[in-house]
Amino acid sequence: EPEVTQTPSHQVTQMGQEVILRCVPISNHLYFYWYRQILGQKVEFLVSFYNNEISEKSEIFDDQFSVERPDGSNFTLKIRSTKLEDSAMYFCASSERRIYGYTFGSGTRLTVV
Amino acid sequence: GENVEQHPSTLSVQEGDSAVIKCTYSDSASNYFPWYKQELGKGPQLIIDIRSNVGEKKDQRIAVTLNKTAKHFSLHITETQPEDSAVYFCAASIDYGGSQGNLIFGKGTKLSVKP
Repeated sequence: EPEVTQTPSHQVTQMGQEVILRCVPISNHLYFYWYRQILGQKVEFLVSFYNNEISEKSEIFDDQFSVERPDGSNFTLKIRSTKLEDSAMYFCASSERRIYGYTFGSGTRLTVV
Repeated sequence: GENVEQHPSTLSVQEGDSAVIKCTYSDSASNYFPWYKQELGKGPQLIIDIRSNVGEKKDQRIAVTLNKTAKHFSLHITETQPEDSAVYFCAASIDYGGSQGNLIFGKGTKLSVKP
């Protein structure tokens, strides 16, 4: 069964450092998403991406965040200057059709110290 | 914006019993309601979904019901097995031409099935 692959599985970074979280969506999917889950809390929407541009973003997705699909296969989330409160599990997802049939990756646990 | 509430936060049942998890949503425009199962160390996995033009959907031991008037939907698992133990999330979304399908999640229910 096709999978969404995320790397790394766990990243520890110092406050103020830049991090890039990587995702390889399912190859025939057209819609891409990033969500995050702070420990013990809801899964929260960050950003959606379609046709090589951001289609929607949440209030969480401020100027410190950016997304990119640099080579037609990878989908990255960059946090420019990490804060302690960015510590969370970050999930990438993709879908063939808008909304329906999301496939999530296993996530990257980001720990900011 | 949309808000999804989910209850209970934890649920413990004996193997073979049924489990019911309930969610309510606030935005009457929401029309797509998926349920996800998250096992330890893995991402959420879609297990069943329902659209607002349907009141009930069943897939083997799993069923989902939707009451649009009351704005609530429920997940029913019958004949539970230890491998059903996981965190279950409900979600809601609005499917209209201008939306990109963002999901609003509930807080999750940790289901434990005891052998």
